[in-house]
Amino acid sequence: GESVGLHLPTLSVQEGDNSIINCAYSNSASDYFIWYKQESGKGPQFIIDIRSNMDKRQGQRVTVLLNKTVKHLSLQIAATQPGDSAVYFCAENIGGSEKLVFGKGMKLTVNP
Amino acid sequence: DAMVIQNPRYQVTQFGKPVTLSCSQTLNHNVMYWYQQKSSQAPKLLFHYYDKDFNNEADTPDNFQSRRPNTSFCFLDIRSPGLGDAAMYLCATSRPTGGKTEAFFGQGTRLTVV
Repeated sequence: GESVGLHLPTLSVQEGDNSIINCAYSNSASDYFIWYKQESGKGPQFIIDIRSNMDKRQGQRVTVLLNKTVKHLSLQIAATQPGDSAVYFCAENIGGSEKLVFGKGMKLTVNP
Repeated sequence: DAMVIQNPRYQVTQFGKPVTLSCSQTLNHNVMYWYQQKSSQAPKLLFHYYDKDFNNEADTPDNFQSRRPNTSFCFLDIRSPGLGDAAMYLCATSRPTGGKTEAFFGQGTRLTVV
């Protein structure tokens, strides 16, 4: 289940389940979005991106959905594996600039 | 091969003693970023360079400075580190193209202040 407190929100799933990680972004001028995966002690790694002229984009086992009306992004991971355990962040690029700003993040734990 | 390299991976510094963190890139990207990341939090943008143009975030303390002597290298200087500056510092690069600004990250430098 999901919990929110002083630490990062956490989502625990069983191996093989599908996972959905959500993110709210703040700036209506943002026109490009990225999901990053960060493993403990490492830098963030690119997973998938989406431009604001799209509402869905699929990769290998991952899908990103964008709802501009409510400023919401989600990352869906199919058939979640233990190697997917990490912290996931969304990042938004504000149109017309090269700034990349991160959302709060969620920790995904996959139980074998 | 690593494309964004941060040195050192771990840095211990004394309270109030200036410290410099280094970042180099082999991607020839024109944008370089510095982020601060505290435990269980998102990376927070401190500043970035677009070529030689420096862009400071409004809430970045004056204690944090940066230098970019050439395309490949960027430094983060902390003039008088306090205990609250202990964090992971992440360097990233990008080449904004066609409306996309995908940033590539280094492995980070974990700073401890004693």
